[in-house]
Amino acid sequence: DIQMTQSPPSLSASLGDKVTITCQASQNINKYIAWYQQKPGKAPGLLIHYTSTLVSGIPSRFSGSGSGRDYSFSISNVESEDIASYYCLQYDNSWTFGGGTKLELK
Amino acid sequence: EVQLVESGGGLVQPGRSMKLSCAASGFTFNNYDMAWVCQAPKKGLEWVATISYDGSSTYYRDSVKGRFTISRDNAKSTLYLQMDSLRSEDTATYYCARQGYAHGWYFDFWGPGTMVTVSS
Repeated sequence: DIQMTQSPPSLSASLGDKVTITCQASQNINKYIAWYQQKPGKAPGLLIHYTSTLVSGIPSRFSGSGSGRDYSFSISNVESEDIASYYCLQYDNSWTFGGGTKLELK
Repeated sequence: EVQLVESGGGLVQPGRSMKLSCAASGFTFNNYDMAWVCQAPKKGLEWVATISYDGSSTYYRDSVKGRFTISRDNAKSTLYLQMDSLRSEDTATYYCARQGYAHGWYFDFWGPGTMVTVSS
């Protein structure tokens, strides 16, 4: 089974900051990684798939990159509505989520 | 508009069974693989099971193999999860998710979830 190590588990940012979350897979996942946003009490929402493809309607301040085993997700110019938890998902071989990152306001 | 609505959750004793349903609308249900994903209280997300668009293939995480059964009724646009021999560690919110495809199969739409509590 592929393991996904997501870091950091929590992140504190000020409005307007740029933040970056990373996910490392236990093996090459061939860019098959997606990123989700989850707000308290709500279902996750898809932001990015295939490493860097932004879902229609998602603001361009969200971005993703990476290859092989190492991937990152960034939010530039953090806004108050971005306060949430974020999860990566590998879908190269079965499906495995990262442990999540809780983004809070500093 | 894609809509997925889960139902059937609640409190159940260890060792007993429960069946979840997910009613789908706003898309051609029988064109898509579907999945269940769970989230234990204050924990992360875990994939549970997937079923192919026509029901011919099913896949499960190891911890539920032999206890959970995913199925679908394409005539009713409904997904199911039969959960048997429930354990306390199965306590979680269970989400129904559509598996979209563009360079691989990922979860593109989710229902709001239904809570399952396994406790005596």
